[in-house]
Amino acid sequence: GAGVSQSPRYKVAKRGQDVALRCDPISGHVSLFWYQQALGQGPEFLTYFQNEAQLDKSGLPSDRFFAERPEGSVSTLKIQRTQQEDSAVYLCASSQRTSSHEQYFGPGTRLTVT
Amino acid sequence: GQQLNQSPQSMFIQEGEDVSMNCTSSSIFNTWLWYKQDPGEGPVLLIALYKAGELTSNGRLTAQFGITRKDSFLNISASIPSDVGIYFCAGLQSGAGSYQLTFGKGTKLSVIP
Repeated sequence: GAGVSQSPRYKVAKRGQDVALRCDPISGHVSLFWYQQALGQGPEFLTYFQNEAQLDKSGLPSDRFFAERPEGSVSTLKIQRTQQEDSAVYLCASSQRTSSHEQYFGPGTRLTVT
Repeated sequence: GQQLNQSPQSMFIQEGEDVSMNCTSSSIFNTWLWYKQDPGEGPVLLIALYKAGELTSNGRLTAQFGITRKDSFLNISASIPSDVGIYFCAGLQSGAGSYQLTFGKGTKLSVIP
């Protein structure tokens, strides 16, 4: 079946611009996660949704970052007034049940802020 | 945030050789996962480990969950060129935030044909 998809795959933004990154999880997956991966590093947790409820946003680096999943399927990560330090790959993952530990990742969106 | 210590950072091996990499932490983890990431792609789940001492295989890959629950290792036998990539360990803790994967910095594997 189809895996997790993300769009766009690449995004170049000028400093100060707002961006929106989209994630389509595997159909029927309850849990959805966003991670940020800096160059040469492992992914770091940003936020977690169970269906449409955002249960944890402790990893969001600032109040410029906002995520939503209004209907419990597609999710959008929005970054306002982008800064150069926001440049990274943003990964989305989903898992089938709330008790499942196996998270399946999308290909990521590479954001470059110039 | 908390990081897992993954080693080696990189390795170059000849095709056909066996590979071993490991991951350690100062904290206890209840689940260990191993992922492989190719350039421009997201991490792909290879093996999941749920019990201390558990040894699990997936084809040429074998992983173990350490008895202390603070470490794990991954072995790849008879490496082939398509094994090239970055391997990440990831752990899950119990309690609050138990769904947050904590990742190591990765082991970059290069295979010389």
